[in-house]
Amino acid sequence: SQTIHQWPATLVQPVGSPLSLECTVEGTSNPNLYWYRQAAGRGLQLLFYSVGIGQISSEVPQNLSASRPQDRQFILSSKKLLLSDSGFYLCAWSTSATNEKLFFGSGTQLSVL
Amino acid sequence: EDQVTQSPEALRLQEGESSSLNCSYTVSGLRGLFWYRQDPGKGPEFLFTLYSAGEEKEKERLKATLTKKESFLHITAPKPEDSATYLCAVARIMEYGNKLVFGAGTILRVKS
Repeated sequence: SQTIHQWPATLVQPVGSPLSLECTVEGTSNPNLYWYRQAAGRGLQLLFYSVGIGQISSEVPQNLSASRPQDRQFILSSKKLLLSDSGFYLCAWSTSATNEKLFFGSGTQLSVL
Repeated sequence: EDQVTQSPEALRLQEGESSSLNCSYTVSGLRGLFWYRQDPGKGPEFLFTLYSAGEEKEKERLKATLTKKESFLHITAPKPEDSATYLCAVARIMEYGNKLVFGAGTILRVKS
């Protein structure tokens, strides 16, 4: 069966520090991968998605970047965090580009102080 | 612009008190409407997908219905374990495949 791992679960970082969140999927090959951010009281906002190794599409211009170094690994990064980067970050995968059914990781609660 | 609005923002029910959550949407070319359940501090869990007006799907005490402009999630005789945030999303076409646009969710609390 397929599983998705996301870590860390919580993270507290000072403003201006770098960020690296990692997500891996097991039990499937060539998944579509997604990074979402969820702010309190707001819907999930799509940040990045990838349909293959090295292919990244950005939905919202921001202080973040994403990379996919391996088929089942998706990384969210920042060189210098801003206060506005605080939120609940979710990684998700789907089986193909046209299959909208997403499977989510357990999320990372990021607090930038 | 695609938009998804969920109401109410929060709902408190007594155990056994049935009710409905609403999801209204505007999207060019609906490719599916999704319902997810999210427990505090966790990722959303898939519940249903509806593709055409008139379609209905059921799972235990939950039933989702779809019209041309909105979807309802009916909760029959809820139990405390049904307490969660329920998210609605619509799929639209993007450069690679489809994208889900989420509503802000309805926070449901069921008291025993």
